[in-house]
Amino acid sequence: QSALTQVPSASGSPGQSVTISCTGTSSDVGGYNYVSWYQHHPGKAPKLLIYEVSKRPSGVPNRFSGSKSGNTASLTVSGLQAEDEANYYCSSYAGSNTLVFGGGTKLTVL
Amino acid sequence: EVQLVESGGGLVKPGGSLRLSCAASGFTFRSYSMNWVRQAPGKGLEWVSSTSSNSSLIYYADSVKGRFTISRDNAKNSLYLQMNSLRAEDTAVYYCARGTWSGYDSTFEYWGQGTLVIVSS
Repeated sequence: QSALTQVPSASGSPGQSVTISCTGTSSDVGGYNYVSWYQHHPGKAPKLLIYEVSKRPSGVPNRFSGSKSGNTASLTVSGLQAEDEANYYCSSYAGSNTLVFGGGTKLTVL
Repeated sequence: EVQLVESGGGLVKPGGSLRLSCAASGFTFRSYSMNWVRQAPGKGLEWVSSTSSNSSLIYYADSVKGRFTISRDNAKNSLYLQMNSLRAEDTAVYYCARGTWSGYDSTFEYWGQGTLVIVSS
């Protein structure tokens, strides 16, 4: 159950788009369409942004979108806003009823 | 409004035990799977354990198997995590999270704010 790989940090200016990647293997990201993305402001409860690769729960702005190609999933945040500054985590079903998370990406809005 | 409130964290010595609780409100607790996820200081999230709505399906991460026990009391709208044989590497903020349906679920729709567990002598 090795963690998924995320770049530790990313940044963008207000209004820009930023893409955060999440790389796994054929045993997790590449093998299942059960990738989720979470936004976490430190000290608060994590928030579900994307599930099943590209689905958005109700209430999540369409500025947030997800995709997957092979063993890499991606979260794109369009029209960056100051409140988007947070930590972002991906997760993937990894078979045998286990789940693996990424190490997290700290997004800074410049 | 869905609310999940964890409690029971604290300082415990290596080898000791601790029981975490998660009080749920704002939804029909008995209809949803529940989970524990932790975050060690400066680290990412780590899935710990999951239980289906009726406790018939229970799963653990290898790192806690045999030491931690997840349970729930649907009459009390509460989720628990009994942690035994605690190690320094179990130091983390522990979050409870709700699934999207009653069975095994890899999507965690709602989360609590967490409770801190420190394992140190």
